[in-house]
Formats: sequence, structure tokens, C-alpha cells
Amino acid sequence: NAGVTQTPKFQVLKTGQSMTLQCAQDMNHNSMYWYRQDPGMGLRLIYYSASEGTTDKGEVPNGYNVSRLNKREFSLRLESAAPSQTSVYFCASSEPKGGGYNSPLHFGNGTRLTVT
Amino acid sequence: KQEVTQIPAALSVPEGENLVLNCSFTDSAIYNLQWFRQDPGKGLTSLLLIQSSQREQTSGRLNASLDKSSGRSTLYIAASQPGDSATYLCAVMNRDDKIIFGKGTRLHILP
Repeated sequence: NAGVTQTPKFQVLKTGQSMTLQCAQDMNHNSMYWYRQDPGMGLRLIYYSASEGTTDKGEVPNGYNVSRLNKREFSLRLESAAPSQTSVYFCASSEPKGGGYNSPLHFGNGTRLTVT
Repeated sequence: KQEVTQIPAALSVPEGENLVLNCSFTDSAIYNLQWFRQDPGKGLTSLLLIQSSQREQTSGRLNASLDKSSGRSTLYIAASQPGDSATYLCAVMNRDDKIIFGKGTRLHILP
């Protein structure tokens, strides 16, 4: 019962470097989400994918790209990291799109990213 | 644009007291509202989910209510315990499947 798995758990980047955060879920969920959490800011939605093959911008998409590789996997890419992207990143998944709107959001354990 | 507000930002209460956390949202066209708990340095755990057609949900000492027309939800915690200390977040699912969070309420239960 892995649920939502995120890798890596920790990462330090230098300004301008690129990296991809990986997320996979084993619950056969349709919807997947990427959030960032900063002190005092709650969780802010970066991108989401309502179903396999679709992606949409959230509240703070600038500087990020995503790929819904298949139903299980949803990756987040930073093409040129900036110090403002230092944050904790959470991936989450849920059932909607025909599965009913009574499915709670399941979270991974997060990736702590520092950009120097 | 959906905006979710949680008041207060922080709350301290003595052990054993009942308490209420508040959540408000600006766009009432939602599919559901969820309450989460987050312990320091950890991920989020779902506590309760209320569908738009429902008025409340209960789980143990927790009761969440939803008044969609007024854009408000409350989380009631009965007989608080030190183990309830955490940050509590509410989130709404919009009709476009976006899930938007409030900034949370940091709860501290005093032994």
C-alpha cells in the first residue's frame, strides 16, 4: 500500500540548474496535482492533471512544466531553477472524473528543494 | 478566482475544551470541501470530506459542517487533546477540478 510516492525527498540545486520531481500513485486515480508549500502561504497549486493525457495550470505555474506520463505518473520539471523556487513540493492524487466527488486527496511525503 | 480563507491563523486552547476552526471560500460552485491535518515537517492527512450536497460529516471527535450558499465551513473538535496539536487546512474542489487550499490554522492544545 504505497499510495503516493515522491522522489527525491531532498534536493539542493544551484541557480539555473534543471531537475525533475517524480510522482507515482498506485491507487488507479484519475486526477493528480502538484503543490508547493511555503511558510505562512499554505499550499499553492502549481499544475494539475484531471485525467491521463490532460494537464492544466494552477495558481503559480510560472517556471514549471509537467508531464502526465501515464495514469500512474505525474512529473514536475524546473527548467532553470531560481531561489524563489525553494520550497516543499507535494504531489497528490484523487479519483474524480466519473469516480464521484467523494474521493479524498491523498498526498505524498513531499520533496524539500533548496535553490542556492 | 476561488479564494479560501482560514481564521484564526493560530489558536491555543487548554486541553479538554471544545473548539471551532473556520474556513470561508468565495466561489460557492464547488464539488466538495475537505479538511486536512498536517504535523510539522510531515505531509497532509485527510480528516473529513463533505460533498456539495451534504451539510456535515463526522469522524470520532471531529465534526465538519458546510454551508455552501454562504461559502463557509467549520471544523468542530470536541474534548481537545494535546495530540490534536497540528496545522489544520481546508480545501475546496472547484468545478474545473482545481483543489484550492487555505493557509491553515495552527492549533496548540495546552496540557
